[in-house]
Amino acid sequence: GENVEQHPSTLSVQEGDSAVIKCTYSDSASNYFPWYKQELGKGPQLIIDIRSNVGEKKDQRIAVTLNKTAKHFSLHITETQPEDSAVYFCAASKGGNEKLTFGTGTRLTIIP
Amino acid sequence: NAGVTQTPKFRVLKTGQSMTLLCAQDMNHEYMYWYRQDPGMGLRLIHYSVGEGTTAKGEVPDGYNVSRLKKQNFLLGLESAAPSQTSVYFCASSDGQGEFFGPGTRLTVL
Repeated sequence: GENVEQHPSTLSVQEGDSAVIKCTYSDSASNYFPWYKQELGKGPQLIIDIRSNVGEKKDQRIAVTLNKTAKHFSLHITETQPEDSAVYFCAASKGGNEKLTFGTGTRLTIIP
Repeated sequence: NAGVTQTPKFRVLKTGQSMTLLCAQDMNHEYMYWYRQDPGMGLRLIHYSVGEGTTAKGEVPDGYNVSRLKKQNFLLGLESAAPSQTSVYFCASSDGQGEFFGPGTRLTVL
């Protein structure tokens, strides 16, 4: 089955700087890669996703890149703000009704 | 729209007791999922459903049962709770375009 590895497990970034979280996956048939943000005491929330026919996707300060050849994808957050502090999860699936496989999460702390 | 709701929010059980966690979604999604989240282990899939009347095992199904009698509801049952089932449980639903999560149920088994 699919295996998703996520790094780093913790990340501290000065406010205003950029943060990058990286994930690798094992199943070359995976074609859907969402990212989730989980704030303390809440459920994960989908923040951005990318499909295998696209190399990069951007939404305001958040961007995701995908390298299908190397089987890795990354989340980039620019101009970080205190409200970006949370746990971020990457995931992968073959799309449709195929279930997601999640990474183990990255705890991002923005230092004011 | 309420999205995905879960009841109860918190529960404490004694070993051997049973309980049912209820998940409801109002987005008309076909797919529903139950996960557990433990420190350092991310989200692990317990059971899932691809439509009303169907269920399937996920990564960690032992000790749990599920039912999807109505499209909008997905129930997770613990027949005989064990301390190893102490966790935060999340329900999610999807239309195949990404999963929407509920707020979670924090379960402690003593």
